[in-house]
Order: sequence, then structure tokens, then C-alpha cells
Amino acid sequence: GAVVSQHPSRVICKSGTSVKIECRSLDFQATTMFWYRQFPKKSLMLMATSNEGSKATYEQGVEKDKFLINHASLTLSTLTVTSAHPEDSSFYICSARAVGVPNTGELFFGEGSRLTVL
Amino acid sequence: AQKITQTQPGMFVQEKEAVTLDCTYDTSDPSYGLFWYKQPSSGEMIFLIYQGSYDQQNATEGRYSLNFQKARKSANLVISASQLGDSAMYFCAMSLRGSARQLTFGSGTQLTVLP
Repeated sequence: GAVVSQHPSRVICKSGTSVKIECRSLDFQATTMFWYRQFPKKSLMLMATSNEGSKATYEQGVEKDKFLINHASLTLSTLTVTSAHPEDSSFYICSARAVGVPNTGELFFGEGSRLTVL
Repeated sequence: AQKITQTQPGMFVQEKEAVTLDCTYDTSDPSYGLFWYKQPSSGEMIFLIYQGSYDQQNATEGRYSLNFQKARKSANLVISASQLGDSAMYFCAMSLRGSARQLTFGSGTQLTVLP
């Protein structure tokens, strides 16, 4: 398969600060990565599609200015939660598309990042 | 728009027995992929199995098999010989083949394996 690494796995921050989460494809190039958010006991909801070298495509209801996504290289996408508030506390998880990996649907997930805003 | 439905919020199974987790989907696109993921309490999404809409045979991966019934739009996951370590949340998901592969997830089924 293909490996996606996400960092940090856990982060606690004060309200009003910004937090950056990294998503890296370790053994493949990913022109497309995805960011999901998951509330406790709930399913994953797509926040945005990150495309290398271009602007991210955000899902309806997701604030672009709150959740900044940068996909500056073929192996790295970052999600920055700006001016975080307690309601932004959640589990954020990325996935990346690895073209050509058979019988997998070509999608691989990072380990996820649990954000707690105090 | 596509939709995934998992009607079993929770399931119990005795260790060593088989269990079926239900999943139905809805899409008008003829080209799609169906996924099952396992999410333990640690949060990581563990890929289990994939079925393409044009695949003739049901997908199998070790103790996991996907019972794909295209006409009924169902993609049930069968876990054979359940183990205690199988206790986790299980998500069914779908992507459209022509898209960038964004996933739409079902609401999940919490599986508990009893000793």
C-alpha cells in the first residue's frame, strides 16, 4: 500500500491561536489530498479537497478563512486552523490519492490529529 | 448526490463467529467505488476492503469479504471468525470514479466482539 503520515497526532492550544496540521505522503506523490473532520461518535465529513499547486476546493459550509489549506508540494498538504475556538475542537484526518495502487480505491488515510482548544 | 446508509448503530458478535455489517448506497453514477474502513478508539482509519462498481467478483481480503449486490445497491461487509481485536467502529464509504475520489461516509456501526 501507500503510507500517509499526519502530524501532530494531538494538539492542545489556547483560544485565539492558530494551529497547523501536516499531511505527508511518504512513498508516493499525491496531487490530490482530502481533509475530513470528525466529531465524537460521528462520521467523517469532507471539509475540502487540496490540489497541488492550486487553491483548495471547500465543501459547503466550511469557512475558507478559518481553515486554510496549502498543498505546496506533491507530498505535503497543510491545514491551518486560524484563531481557533473551542468549537473547532475535533478530530481532523487527511487522506491522499495514490494513483495506480490496485484493489484499494487509491485512497489512504493519515493517522489523524486530535485538536483541543481551551 | 451520493448517499451511504448504515442502519446498524451497534452490533454484537460472539468471538469466532461471523458477522455481517450492512451498507446500502445511492448514486446515479454508474462508475463508483465502495470502501470499508475500521476505526479503533485510537482514531486511525484502517482500510479493509474495496469493491469497484464494474468488478464482477466480490472482493475478499483475508477474513473480510464484501457482499456486493449491485441491483439492490448494497455492499455488506462480512467478517468471518471474529476476534476480540475486531471491536471497533466500522464505516462504509463511496467515491465516484470520475471524481477526484472524495469519499462519502455512512454513519458507522460500532462492533463489539464478546469473549
